[in-house]
Amino acid sequence: EAGVAQSPRYKIIEKRQSVAFWCNPISGHATLYWYQQILGQGPKLLIQFQNNGVVDDSQLPKDRFSAERLKGVDSTLKIQPAKLEDSAVYLCASPTRAASNTGELFFGEGSRLTVL
Amino acid sequence: AQSVTQLGSHVSVSEGALVLLRCNYSSSVPPYLFWYVQYPNQGLQLLLKYTSAATLVKGINGFEAEFKKSETSFHLTKPSAHMSDAAEYFCAVSGTGSARQLTFGSGTQLTVLP
Repeated sequence: EAGVAQSPRYKIIEKRQSVAFWCNPISGHATLYWYQQILGQGPKLLIQFQNNGVVDDSQLPKDRFSAERLKGVDSTLKIQPAKLEDSAVYLCASPTRAASNTGELFFGEGSRLTVL
Repeated sequence: AQSVTQLGSHVSVSEGALVLLRCNYSSSVPPYLFWYVQYPNQGLQLLLKYTSAATLVKGINGFEAEFKKSETSFHLTKPSAHMSDAAEYFCAVSGTGSARQLTFGSGTQLTVLP
């Protein structure tokens, strides 16, 4: 099965600017996750989608972060305005087709954000 | 809620030596447990998983882990380290129900010395 595609791989912006990250998950899978991985830490869940709907966004800083999943396929994660502490790798993930009921995830390579 | 604790943020071993990376979990129900590896500037790759079948789980690249319910542990081992094993390793636990979210530990950076 095809993997999870993310873009851009790298982005450098100044604080208070905006940025958007794109994810195309494993084909045909209803569930999609966005994780934030700060340097030296484990990934932290930001938001979980099931088709077009949000299942869990309890850890998403909604004053500056937003995410959408149009037509239940691609997803976009936006940050506006960015803060220094948003510097991190943003990972998109889908359940693997063979193990979708265990929580096992397949991750994209991530989008590395540096906020100056 | 479930959680994992990885003991030791940095582990160094000599090439050919035993690798032991520690992970303890907390879960109110029988968990699903995972080890992921992350090489520099890459995404997370699944090493192995425990999904309530055999308690000794074998993964890729010669790694294995043993689920010990009495100790709430899922330590990762490899008998003989290779230079290519240098990477960051994350233990993760899966939640229950329809959410099935992965919760990660803080990671262990493995250095392999020549």
